[in-house]
Amino acid sequence: GAVVSQHPSRVICKSGTSVKIECRSLDFQATTMFWYRQFPKQSLMLMATSNEGSKATYEQGVEKDKFLINHASLTLSTLTVTSAHPEDSSFYICSAKTAGLAVLAKNIQYFGAGTRLSVL
Amino acid sequence: DAKTTQPPSMDCAEGRAANLPCNHSTISGNEYVYWYRQIHSQGPQYIIHGLKNNETNEMASLIITEDRKSSTLILPHATLRDTAVYYCIVYNQGGKLIFGQGTELSVKP
Repeated sequence: GAVVSQHPSRVICKSGTSVKIECRSLDFQATTMFWYRQFPKQSLMLMATSNEGSKATYEQGVEKDKFLINHASLTLSTLTVTSAHPEDSSFYICSAKTAGLAVLAKNIQYFGAGTRLSVL
Repeated sequence: DAKTTQPPSMDCAEGRAANLPCNHSTISGNEYVYWYRQIHSQGPQYIIHGLKNNETNEMASLIITEDRKSSTLILPHATLRDTAVYYCIVYNQGGKLIFGQGTELSVKP
């Protein structure tokens, strides 16, 4: 299957600082990338969808000025948590899919390993 | 996108088949059934998907009823490493992958 790399895997930061998380598709071009958040013992919650070269579409209730998403190339998307606070502590997961016609198509989403953010 | 219903938890003995059910009675004609799993503290992993025919790959089999209102994911010989939360998701190919609560499968020795 396709590989999606997410970095860092874990980050601890002070309240008020900003944190950037990177998501890369290593062996395919990701026309669409997604960002999810997961709190303990809960399911994944979709935060936003981004298409390469265009602005991200945020789900209802997700602050676009707090969670900045950039999808500048077909292999890289970044999520920046601005002015992080303890309530932003969570497991952030990215995923990617391609519109290509190869075996990687069929709208399968491939996920990164996740980033655990702890805000002190 | 259609809503799915899964049992919150299931147990399975190691080496036996794990059969995970999913109800999706409001599925429409162009919606696929996708299965993912999430091992603790990892990102979800794609398992299999189908439209109306049964499907099999190296990980699992997917059995979809003729009326497409329910399906079953089968892990033929469950191992301890198959312990995870399994998500059944129905969506059309232009939609978004929205996760429900899934089934927490515990494979026991």
